[in-house]
Parts: sequence; C-alpha cells; structure tokens
Amino acid sequence: QKEVEQNSGPLSVPEGAIASLNCTYSDRGSQSFFWYRQYSGKSPELIMFIYSNGDKEDGRFTAQLNKASQYVSLLIRDSQPSDSATYLCAVNRGGGGNKLTFGTGTQLKVEL
Amino acid sequence: GAVVSQHPSWVICKSGTSVKIECRSLDFQATTMFWYRQFPKQSLMLMATSNEGSKATYEQGVEKDKFLINHASLTLSTLTVTSAHPEDSSFYICSAREEREGPTDTQYFGPGTRLTVL
Repeated sequence: QKEVEQNSGPLSVPEGAIASLNCTYSDRGSQSFFWYRQYSGKSPELIMFIYSNGDKEDGRFTAQLNKASQYVSLLIRDSQPSDSATYLCAVNRGGGGNKLTFGTGTQLKVEL
Repeated sequence: GAVVSQHPSWVICKSGTSVKIECRSLDFQATTMFWYRQFPKQSLMLMATSNEGSKATYEQGVEKDKFLINHASLTLSTLTVTSAHPEDSSFYICSAREEREGPTDTQYFGPGTRLTVL
C-alpha cells in the first residue's frame, strides 16, 4: 500500500463546475496535509494546508480532512481552464524532520 | 512572502562534469531545506534534507558522495551533482521550510532546475 494515494486521472470537468480531488494516506499518525498545484514543467505551488478535521476554505478552494477515514480532499469551485494542472497531495507524518510524502498527483483538465 | 529561488533554472553539461545548484529563501530564514528530484510523469522524490550548520540527511538509495549538499547559511543550500551521467538528467527542485508553531510547518518550493547530461 502506498503511503499517499491519488487517482492519476485525468479528471475532466467543464468550466464553471466543481472539481473534486481525493487523497488517502496510510499513516494514521499523520499530522498535516497539503495540496500543491503543479503546471507542466514547473515546480509545485502551495494551494493550502489543513490539519484539523473538517473543512477549510480559501477562495474557490476547500480542503476537507477526515482523519478517521484517512482521507483528504480538495474541492475547486467555479473551475477555470487555468486550473488545469496536476494536483499533488502531500502528508507530513510528523516526528523529526517534518518531511513531506507526496502522492503521484491527479491531473485535472477543465474544458471550455 | 515565502519566496524561494533556484539557480540555474536549466543546465546542460557533459558526462563526467559536476554541476552546482543553488537554493535560496528570499524573505525568510530556513534552517531546513529539502532537495527533490522528479522524472517525467512521476511524482517528487525526496533526495535529502539539508540542515543549516550540520550534515545533510539522505534518503535511502541516494548516494551522498554523488549528491553533495551544503547548507552554509539560513538562506542558502547548494546541491552539487558530481560526475554527472545521463541517468542523472532530471528536474531538481528544492524547498525551504518556513517554521511555524504547531503542525503548520510549510514547505515552499523553488522553481526547479532542469539538468540535462549529454
């Protein structure tokens, strides 16, 4: 079982729709969770992080965390073509070093 | 805030030469920086953790004598790929950790360095 799992996609949604991206993790002791956006050929860009159960909203983005079920999701409202990218889920398992473990990413395509 | 730069953005070198990549945190101090490598259509793989003033910690399978890391100040870490070979061609990305209270430590990524070894 991979430590952080994401569906590779591509996930296609029409412009203006809600895109829902999911991520599961295996280490129940994981402490914080991050969503990064990566455009082709570029480095990851932080979208948001979450560490408490429930929802966290930032503009068009909402992160959802359910530690009991060990999943974290990212909702993108009013999807735009510029949102087309690969979305990486990353987990900080805590302990020393504060290293992040990344999923393989979900490719999102927002179609006109 | 939280800007991380990398230099160079791309480099082409001959097999057997060494290449140095710099990573700088521009508006915050980073006691910890991380070096990743990403091959096409794959996720980021952590290579090593760079700690200011001490030796780097390498992930399993990463040769410390081939990938030399120096973190001489709170804003600069360097990665030197020694005796580079074509299989070292990849996208190298650094990140800098912005320390915060509690579980909200966040890593910010540099723009990456694309290395091509001929």
